[in-house]
Amino acid sequence: EVQLVESGGGMVQPGGSLRLSCAASGFAFSGYDMHWVRQTTGKGLEWVSSIGAVGDSYYPDSVKGRFTISRENGKNSLYLQMDSLRAGDTAVYYCARSSEGLLDFDYWGQGTLVTVSS
Amino acid sequence: QSVLTQPPSASGTPGQRVTISCSGGSSNIGRNYVYWYQQVPGTAPKLLIYRNNQRPSGVPDRFSGSKSGTSASLAISGLRSDDEADYYCATWDDSLSAYVFGTGTKVTVL
Repeated sequence: EVQLVESGGGMVQPGGSLRLSCAASGFAFSGYDMHWVRQTTGKGLEWVSSIGAVGDSYYPDSVKGRFTISRENGKNSLYLQMDSLRAGDTAVYYCARSSEGLLDFDYWGQGTLVTVSS
Repeated sequence: QSVLTQPPSASGTPGQRVTISCSGGSSNIGRNYVYWYQQVPGTAPKLLIYRNNQRPSGVPDRFSGSKSGTSASLAISGLRSDDEADYYCATWDDSLSAYVFGTGTKVTVL
């Protein structure tokens, strides 16, 4: 059974940093692209970052230069290092997988809440 | 503000057919595959349609997707109470170099 379990969320002050993790199981992690998507309370979905099976990474302008996605295939783990956090980054963060080279986010984790507040 | 526009709400009675539109542009829907996700409040999104009109295994054939030009649609036939959820379209935008989600549509079963 495919499982994605996020952790590392919490409350942080503006300007602070946080590192999210996503533990994957039930599939050949190294062969899939992985992604982070966030959702603000009561609002829609926003793509945050993606990393390919070979380690290439992608970001929207809203987080470029502040967030860094990485993966550790030997540990079946995905990470999101978030620096210079802003109030607008407050959201539930989901990790998701897709087939290599495609954007069919077919499995999602349960999400972890990040709150940026003073 | 998303580049993909959906109606904020849609509704129907059990057994009816409901259609949700997703309007985009030449840099997104016009050039790339469209995906649809269903999200029951309090849970993670679920992939409903991929590559415009393909259903993952386990998704009932009551759900169908289509695309024409710069717009896409999701149709739900034989509406059921457990179809009550938020529905999002998504695609890659070549101009933004970003994966974009639609504004979302809340489906209510009357």
